[in-house]
Amino acid sequence: EAQVTQNPRYLITVTGKKLTVTCSQNMNHEYMSWYRQDPGLGLRQIYYSMNVEVTDKGDVPEGYKVSRKEKRNFPLILESPSPNQTSLYFCASSLRLPKRSSYNEQFFGPGTRLTVL
Amino acid sequence: GDSVTQMEGPVTLSEEAFLTINCTYTATGYPSLFWYVQYPGEGLQLLLKATKADDKGSNKGFEATYRKETTSFHLEKGSVQVSDSAVYFCALSLIQGAQKLVFGQGTRLTINP
Repeated sequence: EAQVTQNPRYLITVTGKKLTVTCSQNMNHEYMSWYRQDPGLGLRQIYYSMNVEVTDKGDVPEGYKVSRKEKRNFPLILESPSPNQTSLYFCASSLRLPKRSSYNEQFFGPGTRLTVL
Repeated sequence: GDSVTQMEGPVTLSEEAFLTINCTYTATGYPSLFWYVQYPGEGLQLLLKATKADDKGSNKGFEATYRKETTSFHLEKGSVQVSDSAVYFCALSLIQGAQKLVFGQGTRLTINP
């Protein structure tokens, strides 16, 4: 089954304790992205990756790191989590678009609910 | 900058009622427009899309028409069901910005039997 998986699904941690949220897709997609969802704000992009070893900042990258060593995996790293990073996080993937095309369907993982105390 | 604005929620309707969720956008250039749906405890799923002006996207009884003149992409359904209860997100995608989706704030819809 084609899917995007995330782990863990739920996590409660304390300020300053490093954590990693994993994301994996089995669709051979080049493009992967992380979003956070907050009430009244919709989803905002944190980081994205166009392909292996190619990553770039989204709209809200502060406090996060990512890596893309393999095509299928795109982990989100919080080196020193703070309470304002309490949120619902989604990983997404899609095929890379050819030029001049503006359509893409992104496939989303089930989400990771993170609470930082 | 590019943005999407959705009608404020939550929206509560009775089964078989008519649904409209308003969505307007601001974008440089010609975006593609999407409606995503998020059922309780799940990730987002693409509900429908439109890639150019006057296109109508449709799926599962939902429809939305890309209106360039009013920069709108309102979601409609003629007769809602309890199973349509979810959060609905309007979004746009641009050629620039590395395939980033720009989302509205989401509208929570609850359908009562």
